[in-house]
Amino acid sequence: SYVLTQPPSVSVAPGETAKITCGANDIGSKSVHWYQQKAGQAPVLVIYYDSDRPSEIPERFSGSSSGNTATLTISRVEAGDEADYYCQVWYSSSDPDVFGGGTKLTVL
Amino acid sequence: QLLLQESGPGQVKPSETLSLDCAVSGASITTTNYYWAWIRQPPGKGLEWIGSISYLQTTFYNPSLKSRVIISKHPSKNQFSLNLSSVTAADTAVYFCARDYRHHYFDYWGQGNLVTVSS
Repeated sequence: SYVLTQPPSVSVAPGETAKITCGANDIGSKSVHWYQQKAGQAPVLVIYYDSDRPSEIPERFSGSSSGNTATLTISRVEAGDEADYYCQVWYSSSDPDVFGGGTKLTVL
Repeated sequence: QLLLQESGPGQVKPSETLSLDCAVSGASITTTNYYWAWIRQPPGKGLEWIGSISYLQTTFYNPSLKSRVIISKHPSKNQFSLNLSSVTAADTAVYFCARDYRHHYFDYWGQGNLVTVSS
């Protein structure tokens, strides 16, 4: 199966830049999508097709992907960005591992 | 505004079948290129895709759950359903329905329905 590996946690001070990675073999050749899930809420799509952003998502959220790593970058982090973030890739319909394990972003 | 709303029992007994519905408003579930998915999240854990049903009624299931899952659509009601049979405590989770764009990404989600498997 195609396993997506994320760090369990990332911590950043307000106003700084947070980078959350998603690692997998040749992920740069696949489409990566990112979700934000705040406590007790449903996930929200924040980045699709590596770097596209839904209109309602702030420009502070950006994405990139190359080689074996995809990265979600959150600039000028705010307290309201504290959440779990998941990467997602469709490798094949027979692959059970659609989502990464998730990264908890803590704003210090 | 596209909205999805899950409904169903909050508790199911072991060995029985978990059944949930997802009512969709603001879009038709027969629209080309859109699939409709179920995703679950055990308490304190990550997201797990259960399966999706396409606009052509084709179904795709997580191989680890395939033998127990049926997803179906009800166009006249603009809703789709999940049936998960022979449940155990390991199936306790928040169950989300979501719109699946061409088996690429999930752009709209329901609020989630906690289902506890317990006698």
